[in-house]
Amino acid sequence: AQSVTQLDSHVSVSEGTPVLLRCNYSSSYSPSLFWYVQHPNKGLQLLLKYTSAATLVKGINGFEAEFKKSETSFHLTKPSAHMSDAAEYFCVVNTNAGKSTFGDGTTLTVKP
Amino acid sequence: EAGVVQSPRYKIIEKKQPVAFWCNPISGHNTLYWYRQNLGQGPELLIRYENEEAVDDSQLPKDRFSAERLKGVDSTLKIQPAELGDSAVYLCASSSRGQTGNTIYFGEGSWLTVV
Repeated sequence: AQSVTQLDSHVSVSEGTPVLLRCNYSSSYSPSLFWYVQHPNKGLQLLLKYTSAATLVKGINGFEAEFKKSETSFHLTKPSAHMSDAAEYFCVVNTNAGKSTFGDGTTLTVKP
Repeated sequence: EAGVVQSPRYKIIEKKQPVAFWCNPISGHNTLYWYRQNLGQGPELLIRYENEEAVDDSQLPKDRFSAERLKGVDSTLKIQPAELGDSAVYLCASSSRGQTGNTIYFGEGSWLTVV
């Protein structure tokens, strides 16, 4: 069995300040982990993914995430938030059976 | 390269009516997924195809939902009859293989409102 917990349903930051979106997972297998972003009325876009290579993964738009096996975490960070980062973010875990499990999402608000 | 294409983007129907959604995956992608996303929640898998075969349909409400993927390319998801609780976004996605590390690419979704 596998599961994903996004620890914050809403995160609010000021423009130019760091972003931290937290994700914990559980999986019986060595998982692959993903972060997707969803802007209003749009589909999900891949930000980055971890597939057992480097534990620090860099993605698009300045986002990065670190896989910490001991903490079963895959938190998403960005040094400086932009207004355009306001969206819904989903953490996803995949198993080698091809099964994907999504977290419930974190809504990021960026204040001017 | 074209992404995953879905239609219609928006649909409003009365309860008990049928509705169908169509999906064209990225060219060459063997794996096709249908997800349902309720407001304020993450997507939940309804069905996953590997080529023409439905390899995971455990979450598909088979009394009213059906899906097909003829010739292993396009897919259709049908609801008949629709209920109020079916109002959601139906997301189609595809990947090159149903394996752990392969990225799933999503369409923009079909927004269903049942009134």
